[in-house]
Amino acid sequence: EAGVTQSPTHLIKTRGQQATLRCSPISGHTSVYWYQQALGLGLQFLLWYDEGEERNRGNFPPRFSGRQFPNYSSELNVNALELEDSALYLCASSLGSSAGLEQFFGPGTRLTVL
Amino acid sequence: KNEVEQSPQNLTAQEGEFITINCSYSVGISALHWLQQHPGGGIVSLFMLSSGKKKHGRLIATINIQEKHSSLHITASHPRDSAVYICAVATRTASKLTFGTGTRLQVTL
Repeated sequence: EAGVTQSPTHLIKTRGQQATLRCSPISGHTSVYWYQQALGLGLQFLLWYDEGEERNRGNFPPRFSGRQFPNYSSELNVNALELEDSALYLCASSLGSSAGLEQFFGPGTRLTVL
Repeated sequence: KNEVEQSPQNLTAQEGEFITINCSYSVGISALHWLQQHPGGGIVSLFMLSSGKKKHGRLIATINIQEKHSSLHITASHPRDSAVYICAVATRTASKLTFGTGTRLQVTL
């Protein structure tokens, strides 16, 4: 069975542009989480989607947004890119929305903002 | 103070050594995860536990809910164990994970 997939693997943008990152969860998983790992920093929670709705967001500005589609795949959009948005963006999925379910991680998208 | 603290930050061991990585947390949790991140970034979930002890091959994870503490042990360490090990917790009310800063492990021959 396929794991969590993310695309693209790498993305290079310039400051002020918009970036779109995509995530496909494991089949049957309804929850998708987005995390950011900036260089030298730990992983930080960005967004959580379940059943098509945003359930929670981390301490990030509104230019970080996303959505979840009816097939449970998800997009993360970052508008007005800043240099400090350069990071590894990881997506994870879980079987449902209950706290404490195991999360399975994708390989990540490495975003570089020049 | 971070909600999740890991120690040590960096660890160098010789092949065959027994390794322990510690994680302390300050919030009520529903589950604690141990994750492994290799160079290149991909993350693998090693364990998810809410009580007691779990074992998988040479890896053992324990958790003490009363003391809000977990340990990850690696027996007979090998250079392929070299990676960053990350502790993460899910609180009782939120599914999102809160992460420790990671322990960078290097196992040499």
